[in-house]
Amino acid sequence: AQSVTQLDSHVSVSEGTPVLLRCNYSSSYSPSLFWYVQHPNKGLQLLLKYTSAATLVKGINGFEAEFKKSETSFHLTKPSAHMSDAAEYFCVVTTTGYGGSQGNLIFGKGTKLSVKP
Amino acid sequence: EPEVTQTPSHQVTQMGQEVILRCVPISNHLYFYWYRQILGQKVEFLVSFYNNEISEKSEIFDDQFSVERPDGSNFTLKIRSTKLEDSAMYFCASSVMGINQPQHFGDGTRLSIL
Repeated sequence: AQSVTQLDSHVSVSEGTPVLLRCNYSSSYSPSLFWYVQHPNKGLQLLLKYTSAATLVKGINGFEAEFKKSETSFHLTKPSAHMSDAAEYFCVVTTTGYGGSQGNLIFGKGTKLSVKP
Repeated sequence: EPEVTQTPSHQVTQMGQEVILRCVPISNHLYFYWYRQILGQKVEFLVSFYNNEISEKSEIFDDQFSVERPDGSNFTLKIRSTKLEDSAMYFCASSVMGINQPQHFGDGTRLSIL
């Protein structure tokens, strides 16, 4: 079965310092992976996606993620945190091709990012 | 930029009552989904819908749940007889194609069962 594990439930950084949100996946197939962000009282917004093209994926708001098959990881990074980055971040794998699935999403538990001034 | 819209933003319902959550997917999208997030827990897949029929559903999506696309724009989730444990945030999503495509989410409906 496919799954994602987000290693940290809460990450706190200072404004202007780098962000690292960790995600490991498990998949029997070549996975499609996504990062979504959820600001308070808002829906889920797509940050970036990996679908077997370039392993370093650039997303919106300066975020990027690197797919590492050998480590089964898809960590999210940003060189310099901004106050507006404070939100909850979800690593997501899709069930592409698994048991005939049509691609519903499997979410990690989420990592809450706090940014201190 | 086109958005998925959900109404209402908050629904309070007595246990045992029927509730209908409404969604308007992005107009050129063909695949539609419902997810739920119980407070403090993961976002969980409920059901996917394509070509006017359910294409996949999870174990959560039992006989109390149903989905419908009554016209060309709306996509609804009905819970026939609500239970306390149905209290959650319900998210609608849509995508152009199903497999490998990112899904665009609405802001969610917070359902509170009393």
